[in-house]
Amino acid sequence: QITLKESGPTLVKPTQTLTLTCTFSGFSLSTSGVGVGWIRQPPGKALEWLALIYWNDDKRYSPSLKSRLTITKDTSKNQVVLTMTNMDPVDTATYYCAHRQEGSGWSRGFDYWGQGTLVTVSS
Amino acid sequence: QSVLTQPPSVSGAPGQRVTISCTGSSSNIGAGYDVHWYQQLPGTAPKLLIYGNSNRPSGVPDRFSGSKSGTSASLAITGLQAEDEADYYCQSYDSSLSGPFYVFGTGTKVTVL
Repeated sequence: QITLKESGPTLVKPTQTLTLTCTFSGFSLSTSGVGVGWIRQPPGKALEWLALIYWNDDKRYSPSLKSRLTITKDTSKNQVVLTMTNMDPVDTATYYCAHRQEGSGWSRGFDYWGQGTLVTVSS
Repeated sequence: QSVLTQPPSVSGAPGQRVTISCTGSSSNIGAGYDVHWYQQLPGTAPKLLIYGNSNRPSGVPDRFSGSKSGTSASLAITGLQAEDEADYYCQSYDSSLSGPFYVFGTGTKVTVL
């Protein structure tokens, strides 16, 4: 059974750096084709993909946020960490992590999601 | 900023059929990348509804179906039920000059009348 759970601060001040941790179980991030991504959703707005890290440590970032994001993994701890610098009130959102599996020419999308964690940016 | 456009809302009476469009371009859906669909019930995390354009994960009712053609994709819900009232998002992959990235649609709210 695959589960993911996000953790981190609920409140950060403008200009601070946000660090979120996704702790998962039921799969290994060293298995070929597996990835863990981060997606956020501002209150009342649409989903926005942020970053994804693959089993082979390949990383992808949203072009609009690439300069502010860093994604890393700790396979031994079953964790993926996302850092976002220079936080602004517009970054207030629920942040989700999600599991992804793909192969040559196929993918199953983001098939398992964490419950999400609401991060508010305010002074 | 999303490159996948969906209608903001669709509605239908119980038992009716509704469709949600997802319009992309030659750098995402039109490039042959898979489209996935998610259902988000109020106050909950998104749930995978359709993967690989037209495949249903185990447990998803066959009332939900997906298709893709050219630079667009569609989600159809037949026999609409009250429990289908939710937000729906398409998702794909984009290989534009700014770099490869994943992308979600603008989202569609389905209302059961």
